[in-house]
Amino acid sequence: KNEVEQSPQNLTAQEGEFITINCSYSVGISALHWLQQHPGGGIVSLFMLSSGKKKHGRLIATINIQEKHSSLHITASHPRDSAVYICAVNRNYGQNFVFGPGTRLSVLP
Amino acid sequence: NAGVTQTPKFRVLKTGQSMTLLCAQDMNHEYMYWYRQDPGMGLRLIHYSVGEGTTAKGEVPDGYNVSRLKKQNFLLGLESAAPSQTSVYFCASSYAVFFEATEAFFGQGTRLTVV
Repeated sequence: KNEVEQSPQNLTAQEGEFITINCSYSVGISALHWLQQHPGGGIVSLFMLSSGKKKHGRLIATINIQEKHSSLHITASHPRDSAVYICAVNRNYGQNFVFGPGTRLSVLP
Repeated sequence: NAGVTQTPKFRVLKTGQSMTLLCAQDMNHEYMYWYRQDPGMGLRLIHYSVGEGTTAKGEVPDGYNVSRLKKQNFLLGLESAAPSQTSVYFCASSYAVFFEATEAFFGQGTRLTVV
């Protein structure tokens, strides 16, 4: 079983919809990161959080440490939000950065 | 400020050929990493470096070698390419080891196909 799981694997939405991507993990962590990968492009960091909630523009990330769960929300989605969104965690021990498999989001105009 | 730059962006190799991927960062980061990304799987760590002149094995090091002769550069070598090494390779760097309490910076990726 992977230490970091994401759902859904693929997501298609209409422009303007509210989108939620989920991440769950099974290990103790010190922080969780959300990353964005555009088609054919590199990976950029969106958020790093260890508790509560962070907001940047139309993106909101939340984390519940007790439930070992995080969500990434996109409000008023736009076709330019189409990308793969990756959750990754800083484990408390070992080679401690572990990536989830990613969620592929397509936003249709 | 270029961040993390990888070269080349695309490459096709024949089985048994060798090549080197170059990663350069201009942020004075101590820590650099090479990952591979395969369909349906999270990025997996190949090798990493905690400073100039030092390297260490990650989760999937077999078939790869690395060198960090200069702080800003981290090279990934394939001595004898195999089809199983077909993947997208990402270089990353950070201020703290394994992005602890710090932002992760990634390159644009190198798409390698071994035929």
